Amino acid sequence: NAGVMQNPRHLVRRRGQEARLRCSPMKGHSHVYWYRQLPEEGLKFMVYLQKENIIDESGMPKERFSAEFPKEGPSILRIQQVVRGDSAAYFCASSPKYYRENAGGPSSGELFFGEGSRLTVL
Amino acid sequence: AQSVTQPDIHITVSEGASLELRCNYSYGATPYLFWYVQSPGQGLQLLLKYFSGDTLVQGIKGFEAEFKRSQSSFNLRKPSVHWSDAAEYFCAVGDTGGGNKLTFGTGTQLKVEL
Repeated sequence: NAGVMQNPRHLVRRRGQEARLRCSPMKGHSHVYWYRQLPEEGLKFMVYLQKENIIDESGMPKERFSAEFPKEGPSILRIQQVVRGDSAAYFCASSPKYYRENAGGPSSGELFFGEGSRLTVL
Repeated sequence: AQSVTQPDIHITVSEGASLELRCNYSYGATPYLFWYVQSPGQGLQLLLKYFSGDTLVQGIKGFEAEFKRSQSSFNLRKPSVHWSDAAEYFCAVGDTGGGNKLTFGTGTQLKVEL
């Protein structure tokens, strides 16, 4: 199965601990996106990465959250000193290399989502 | 900034009945529009997408959606709902400026009565 793989699927942490969520994109995909889904809410964009580069982190909280996508290995979303409000489902998505046919031209646009990592902070 | 509104939080329909889920967007240019479905405990699966051209878009599982620029809407429809369609449905608008960042609505939870 060459889908987006996320692990762990479920993670329980106590307040103050660290949470690390991993995402392996689909084969051939070089773009990774992290989204957070709070209870009763839609998905909120957090960060967009390419290999070794953060392209857009406009949705990331300013403190305690970080993301990386190294040259080798999965993308990692790291939450330090977790608090109860961090309890959520974290989804990773990937897409092929983005390109523009012309200025403002279309991309494929489609994101392929993993099944999510559900973080519970006690 | 782009945004998506799904005015119906919950919808219940009988199996075999028709379905329409509403989606309104706010975006300065011609948007890229998507509908995703999420089953409990699962990730999101793409149902259909609109980039340009024909405003009536066909998707998987018998779903379709119509882009109406004048109403800033992209409503999802299905003529006959099956019990397996019970799930949460998300409308999303894509960032045409670069990358594939999506802005999602808050979702509509569909319940199907047998």
